Amino acid sequence: DQQVKQNSPSLSVQEGRISILNCDYTNSMFDYFLWYKKYPAEGPTFLISISSIKDKNEDGRFTVFLNKSAKHLSLHIVPSQPGDSAVYFCAASALSGNQFYFGTGTSLTVIP
Amino acid sequence: EAEVAQSPRYKITEKSQAVAFWCDPISGHATLYWYRQILGQGPELLVQFQDESVVDDSQLPKDRFSAERLKGVDSTLKIQPAELGDSAMYLCASSLALRRAETQYFGPGTRLLVL
Repeated sequence: DQQVKQNSPSLSVQEGRISILNCDYTNSMFDYFLWYKKYPAEGPTFLISISSIKDKNEDGRFTVFLNKSAKHLSLHIVPSQPGDSAVYFCAASALSGNQFYFGTGTSLTVIP
Repeated sequence: EAEVAQSPRYKITEKSQAVAFWCDPISGHATLYWYRQILGQGPELLVQFQDESVVDDSQLPKDRFSAERLKGVDSTLKIQPAELGDSAMYLCASSLALRRAETQYFGPGTRLLVL
């Protein structure tokens, strides 16, 4: 049973435009969320996090938005750069445990 | 910059054989994780160590999988016997401490193919 879902397997965006990656979750106990980026032949790399006490967290070109009522989070990349081309995973965890549940990933391609 | 090391990077084996994967976490990281990532899916936690102790192995198929971190530093994940469905990427990660806010640093993974 997939508790974290990324329904878009792939996304293509022109360089300089905004990339929006979406993630939905089903477990209402999840209160801490992460985004990871993964290049081919490498392990995932931490990108940005957000706690449920916030609805937005920003780090440079990357902003994560959390909509708790909709159980939805999104990652915005502005402006998108070719080096952002990678697979992006969202992950969620509940206060009661240390385990993170990962989505299936979205492959982002930024076209020069 | 310190990295998590994993070996081998690739492993091909026949079903019913034994395989072992090794992970060396970032120096000073007390928490170590093993994940399995099946093609097209996200990483799934198999086992989590705090120093040499297992914190969570609820997702580890214990009839065939075993993991150890004897001295609280490097770790070995073993599968015996391997099955076709074990073909996946096995990722190791480490973090400074057992806290959700601690960043997990992932190694490059071991890609296993069971024939």
